[in-house]
Amino acid sequence: QVQLQQSGAELVKPGTSVKLSCKASGYTFTSNHMNWIKQTTGQGLEWIGIINPGSGGTSYNVKFKGKATLTVDKSSSTAFMQLSSLTPEDSAVYYCALGWFAYWGQGTLVTVSS
Amino acid sequence: DVVLTQTPVSLLISLGGQASISCRSSQSLVHSNGNTYLHWYLQKPGQSPQLLIYQVSNRFSGIPDRFSGSGSGTDFTLKISRVEPEDLGVYYCLQRTHNPYTFGAGTKLELK
Repeated sequence: QVQLQQSGAELVKPGTSVKLSCKASGYTFTSNHMNWIKQTTGQGLEWIGIINPGSGGTSYNVKFKGKATLTVDKSSSTAFMQLSSLTPEDSAVYYCALGWFAYWGQGTLVTVSS
Repeated sequence: DVVLTQTPVSLLISLGGQASISCRSSQSLVHSNGNTYLHWYLQKPGQSPQLLIYQVSNRFSGIPDRFSGSGSGTDFTLKISRVEPEDLGVYYCLQRTHNPYTFGAGTKLELK
């Protein structure tokens, strides 16, 4: 069965970066795009961007360009999202979700605080 | 960006009752390929969202027929009949027709 296992919670300082991971199993990793989504109480669910694991091609929500960078490692069937220049507004739960959001990871809580 | 307006914000339903949730889009969600990429999700407390309905009216694998989706263009509806305790949570609509993809703000289904 399809599983997306995300990395654990992060407590990071403002101005730094963090790299989240999403390890996929149960399907052919390169056959489906991977999305990343941000969830906060205030802003709800926001789509960050999508990556094609086969080609590495990406498309970003303009709002997150420069903030998020999506990559993959095909050898380990893992998708990554790096968030840079972190501020308290980046504190959120971040999800990876497969294809047309049919399957979701369990989410990673990122807390940005000094 | 496409704005999806969900109503109501919250719903109080008795077990066994029926719920109806509306999702209205600021633009038509008909893609140039003729498909309409409007999906419905349920997020139960402490869990990730789960797909219920894709492309307006197609139930995802394992979703009971108590859940049904309908609509076209800019107006869409999710209906839940014979509400059960496991149906409680927040329902979201999502459009994947236009970039950036956008979600509705959610409708919270609670027991009366």
